[in-house]
Amino acid sequence: GENVEQHPSTLSVQEGDSAVIKCTYSDSASNYFPWYKQELGKRPQLIIDIRSNVGEKKDQRIAVTLNKTAKHFSLHITETQPEDSAVYFCAATNSGGYQKVTFGTGTKLQVIP
Amino acid sequence: GAVVSQHPSWVICKSGTSVKIECRSLDFQATTMFWYRQFPKQSLMLMATSNEGSKATYEQGVEKDKFLINHASLTLSTLTVTSAHPEDSSFYICSATRGEGAYEQYFGPGTRLTVT
Repeated sequence: GENVEQHPSTLSVQEGDSAVIKCTYSDSASNYFPWYKQELGKRPQLIIDIRSNVGEKKDQRIAVTLNKTAKHFSLHITETQPEDSAVYFCAATNSGGYQKVTFGTGTKLQVIP
Repeated sequence: GAVVSQHPSWVICKSGTSVKIECRSLDFQATTMFWYRQFPKQSLMLMATSNEGSKATYEQGVEKDKFLINHASLTLSTLTVTSAHPEDSSFYICSATRGEGAYEQYFGPGTRLTVT
């Protein structure tokens, strides 16, 4: 089955700095890679996603890159703000047959004012 | 659009009893629904995937006789935790996709289950 590794597990940055979270996956059949932000006790919130036929996607301060060959994908947050503090999860989805989603282990991001 | 609700938002039950959690897609028809379990400070673990009118597909290690999933309609799926034990205490979250071949999952707000 799919295995998604996520690093780092915790990340502290100064407000205004950039944050980078990296994930690797094992199943070459995975074709959709969402990133979620989860605040304590709440549902995961989709912040950006990328499909396997795209190498990079950007939405304001957030960007995601995908290297299919190396099976790596990364989340980049620029100009971080205190409200970016949360747990971030990457996920890999295989949409063939029936959809199966595997989540990474999560990164707790703390933005220090 | 694409709102998913869960009920109840939290529940406390006694060991040995059963508890049912409902997941509803409020403004779309959900071809596929997913059930996840999340322990404190851990990731979401997929428990099972269900399609309307068919049996759920359970992930390895998830007891199908303990976690009963019914996807009775295109807007409702239920998870029943039978003979609950304290170790079943967790945050249960459902999600749904809209349409065949859809990628994005819409998550419910979660249900906090505490078994005493």
